[in-house]
Amino acid sequence: GESVGLHLPTLSVQEGDNSIINCAYSNSASDYFIWYKQESGKGPQFIIDIRSNMDKRQGQRVTVLLNKTVKHLSLQIAATQPGDSAVYFCAENMWGSSNTGKLIFGQGTTLQVKP
Amino acid sequence: DSGVTQTPKHLITATGQRVTLRCSPRSGDLSVYWYQQSLDQGLQFLIQYYNGEERAKGNILERFSAQQFPDLHSELNLSSLELGDSALYFCASSVGQGASTEAFFGQGTRLTVV
Repeated sequence: GESVGLHLPTLSVQEGDNSIINCAYSNSASDYFIWYKQESGKGPQFIIDIRSNMDKRQGQRVTVLLNKTVKHLSLQIAATQPGDSAVYFCAENMWGSSNTGKLIFGQGTTLQVKP
Repeated sequence: DSGVTQTPKHLITATGQRVTLRCSPRSGDLSVYWYQQSLDQGLQFLIQYYNGEERAKGNILERFSAQQFPDLHSELNLSSLELGDSALYFCASSVGQGASTEAFFGQGTRLTVV
């Protein structure tokens, strides 16, 4: 079936270190990818997105890398802070072929930041 | 605050019952999406409406239905509820009809079926 998988269920990092969260997607037709952050008791919050015609996109303290050859997506968080503790989801969309906003989400990675 | 409002926040009901979840999108957003989040299935897309019309459908059960009203708010109706329907139900909205526009999520409705 449809799936966007994550490599690790839990990632624990020291405050101030860089974090890397990985994601493998299965659908070659996907052309738009998004990372979401979900804190306890809240809905997913948009972090950063990237289109399939790009390999890298940077935001504030975050960078998303896309490797279409191996269908791999990663989220890098620089200088991780306690407020970054949350579950992170990658999501994919097939805008070019589906023309809809349907997102397929991965299972999520829990990021724990140790003070 | 994302600007997307979902009511109620919590809902406890018995098996076999019917419930209605409500979503008010951000001002100006024409698309509304419904997602189900459970521990074993993760976040699953249910359905999308754009300006009152159904735009995309996911693995939504026949017991579930949704609609978007002229004022753009949306309702998700869940009937003949089963224990397995217990989950968080999220609504999201975006300006356009595709994921090229950022989707904002509400805080969800936690449904518990007993």
